[in-house]
Amino acid sequence: LAKTTQPISMDSYEGQEVNITCSHNNIATNDYITWYQQFPSQGPRFIIQGYKTKVTNEVASLFIPADRKSSTLSLPRVSLSDTAVYYCLSGGATNKLIFGTGTLLAVQP
Amino acid sequence: DSGVTQTPKHLITATGQRVTLRCSPRSGDLSVYWYQQSLDQGLQFLIHYYNGEERAKGNILERFSAQQFPDLHSELNLSSLELGDSALYFCASSVNRAGELFFGEGSRLTVL
Repeated sequence: LAKTTQPISMDSYEGQEVNITCSHNNIATNDYITWYQQFPSQGPRFIIQGYKTKVTNEVASLFIPADRKSSTLSLPRVSLSDTAVYYCLSGGATNKLIFGTGTLLAVQP
Repeated sequence: DSGVTQTPKHLITATGQRVTLRCSPRSGDLSVYWYQQSLDQGLQFLIHYYNGEERAKGNILERFSAQQFPDLHSELNLSSLELGDSALYFCASSVNRAGELFFGEGSRLTVL
């Protein structure tokens, strides 16, 4: 069963680029990698999804190396409103989508 | 707005009671997932339904059960409630199994 490992917390300042790395050593061939953002007392919100190489959308980039055993979410120029918990999820090949413990990103002025 | 609707938003009940949480997925989504999130904890996968059929179970207690109806809405039934069942319960829907989930706003259950 795919399991993800992330840092428990990270600190940053407004305007900086933040990179959060997730380890998913047991990722299956058909699994995708998806990142979510969660604010307190709200449901997680989809940020970005990828299978390999690099994916970019209007809010983030996702870097996935060739072996796919890890991935890095990159948030450009964070603001205070980006303070949240970020979850990495690898899955899709099975019917269980199990989230890791998440990374609490604290952005300071 | 994710398009996923959960009711009730808040629920306060006593130990030993039974409650039902309801989820309406996004239009066209066949998959429904249920998650439990206790205070300051991560998201615990409970169960997954696809087009009315149970597809996977996580660490769901025997006191909990769920079902997905022909109109694709889902219900999570929690019985013999204990204090430790107090949590946010999220429903998420998806059009495929790739992991792109759309979450509702959750149902906050408080057991006194």
